[in-house]
Amino acid sequence: NAGVTQTPKFQVLKTGQSMTLQCAQDMNHEYMSWYRQDPGMGLRLIHYSVGAGITDQGEVPNGYNVSRSTTEDFPLRLLSAAPSQTSVYFCASSQLQGAIGGNTEAFFGQGTRLTVV
Amino acid sequence: GNSVTQMEGPVTLSEEAFLTINCTYTATGYPSLFWYVQYPGEGLQLLLKATKADDKGSNKGFEATYRKETTSFHLEKGSVQVSDSAVYFCALKTSGTYKYIFGTGTRLKVLA
Repeated sequence: NAGVTQTPKFQVLKTGQSMTLQCAQDMNHEYMSWYRQDPGMGLRLIHYSVGAGITDQGEVPNGYNVSRSTTEDFPLRLLSAAPSQTSVYFCASSQLQGAIGGNTEAFFGQGTRLTVV
Repeated sequence: GNSVTQMEGPVTLSEEAFLTINCTYTATGYPSLFWYVQYPGEGLQLLLKATKADDKGSNKGFEATYRKETTSFHLEKGSVQVSDSAVYFCALKTSGTYKYIFGTGTRLKVLA
């Protein structure tokens, strides 16, 4: 099983450039989310989605856009890259049914290491 | 608001040593608690979980007990191996929300 697949694994951008980080899952999960991981700060939620056509902001959404046109895909767009967006980005998915109950496991991709110079 | 506090790392141990990584939380209601592990170059994967007070989660020799009275979920292993070297994240999720709250992570290094 592929699980959650993120591409690319590594990317270097110049300040002001835009790009899209791809995330796809093959587990038919309704809930998908994007996190960034920075030293000493753990994982911070950027955006999330509870199903196709539905997205919402997390705690650090500025400078990022998302869309969810299918259940499988949840791309993250950087509109105009800044050095502060240098980070490791993780996509995660989980089943929605039971998620409100609190004990649904999240599956993570392998991450995208982004450097903005 | 809800939060998770983990002990700062890195934690360096010799093989076969006893491991404790402390985790305390602040949450309204009754959260579910999790430990995730991140091996080098990989994403996070679930290590163990507990969904109510006094539950003990266990997996691969690791254990953690949900202590409501001390709002803690400390991770323990009796004898660590070099292959346990990784970053460990404590996390919670409360009823009525889809979102996880993660701690900052604790890096464990086990020396042969």
